[in-house]
Amino acid sequence: QVKLLQSGAALVKPGASVKMSCKASGYTFTDYWVSWVKQSHGKSLEWIGEIYPNSGATNFNEKFKGKATLTVDKSTSTAYMELSRLTSEDSAIYYCTRSLDAWGQGASVTVSS
Amino acid sequence: DVVMTQTPVSLPVSLGGQASISCRSSQSLVHSNGNTYLHWYLQKPGQSPQLLIYRVSNRFSGVPDRFSGSGSGTDFTLKISRVEPEDLGDYYCLQSTHFPLTFGSGTKLEIK
Repeated sequence: QVKLLQSGAALVKPGASVKMSCKASGYTFTDYWVSWVKQSHGKSLEWIGEIYPNSGATNFNEKFKGKATLTVDKSTSTAYMELSRLTSEDSAIYYCTRSLDAWGQGASVTVSS
Repeated sequence: DVVMTQTPVSLPVSLGGQASISCRSSQSLVHSNGNTYLHWYLQKPGQSPQLLIYRVSNRFSGVPDRFSGSGSGTDFTLKISRVEPEDLGDYYCLQSTHFPLTFGSGTKLEIK
C-alpha cells in the first residue's frame, strides 16, 4: 500500500536550517506530485508547495518562497524539504503528501535556543 | 488567496446522529477545465489528516457511505450520517483549484 515515511522530530536553533525527508513506497514515485503542508500547534493547515519528482518542477505558496526548498532523489523515492533561517514561527508539524490523498505521519520541528 | 470559511467551529453530535459542515470559498472553485477541486479531510486526534471526499462528492477509497459531499461554485457541505465514535476529530475543507491551495480553519466534531 501507499506509504510516506517521514524523518523524525528536530530541535533546532533560531537562524539555523533543517532538512526533513519523506520516503515513498507502494506506488510509482515519479508519477505523483508531492506536497508539503504545515500545521502549527493547535491550528489549521497551510500548503507550503509541491514538487513533481519526474521533472523537479515546483509550485510554491508565496508565503514560503525563500523559506522552503523542495528537492527529490528519484533513486531512493525520497522527497526533501529544507527550511531556512528558522524562527519560532516555524515551530510546527510538517506533513508530506502524495497529491494530497496519502499523508506521511508528520515531522515535528521545534525552534528554540 | 482564496479564503475558505468553514462553519461551525465546533459541532457536538450524538452517536448515531447526523452532522453537517459548511465550507464557503471567497471565489468560485470551478476550474477552467470544468472540474471543481474541493476536498474534505478528517484529522483524528494525534493522526495525520486523511482524505474523505475529493472533488466535491467523490468518496475516497475505503470511506464509508455515511460520508457524503455536495455543493457547487462557492458553497459546499459535508454530511455525516449515523455518527460513530471513529468519526470524531477535526474536519477540514481544501480547495486546489487556485494557487496557493488553501484549507478551511477546521470543524471539531465532538460528542454531545
